[in-house]
Amino acid sequence: DTAVSQTPKYLVTQMGNDKSIKCEQNLGHDTMYWYKQDSKKFLKIMFSYNNKELIINETVPNRFSPKSPDKAHLNLHINSLELGDSAVYFCASSQEIWREGGSYNEQFFGPGTRLTVL
Amino acid sequence: ELKVEQNPLFLSMQEGKNYTIYCNYSTTSDRLYWYRQDPGKSLESLFVLLSNGAVKQEGRLMASLDTKARLSTLHITAAVHDLSATYFCAVAPGIVDKIIFGKGTRLHILP
Repeated sequence: DTAVSQTPKYLVTQMGNDKSIKCEQNLGHDTMYWYKQDSKKFLKIMFSYNNKELIINETVPNRFSPKSPDKAHLNLHINSLELGDSAVYFCASSQEIWREGGSYNEQFFGPGTRLTVL
Repeated sequence: ELKVEQNPLFLSMQEGKNYTIYCNYSTTSDRLYWYRQDPGKSLESLFVLLSNGAVKQEGRLMASLDTKARLSTLHITAAVHDLSATYFCAVAPGIVDKIIFGKGTRLHILP
């Protein structure tokens, strides 16, 4: 069973178009994320939702709009695509785990969506 | 702002050799993660280190954490070709749900 799934796996589109990427997790986690990995493999967080509520919103153009219809789904909609949006977008999910001395969130990543803007 | 630096960023080594990847971070944290990414694939969690002096081992990989020095190491023992991948460290800056990734170390092990 796939824990974190994304669709589509590949997305090729023209500049100016609007596109969406979907993410679903079946781990029962409360928190979901979107990351962008550029051509140099740098991985940067974009958004995070906890129980459908936006909790992290990094410096991302407002052409990017996440939507979480329920805690198992986090979709990413991108308006007016630009060449610089070409990257691999990863969805992830996590659950806060409490141990003696504190807590942590181990994140589980989806397979990624490779977006190419022409 | 938390900065996470990995060293080296690229590493090519022979099978059978030992090597260490270093991860330095700029602010106090006691939660550090190591991930592996194969080319064209997703990220796979390797280790979670939660306290000063924590050490975890899985096969030929061993990770450790020194929170006072703000340093984690990933040691590779007797490298084999299958360990070729990009290894990322990531640090939680205090906001529980957020982690900051280093730039990754691309490890290429020559057969």
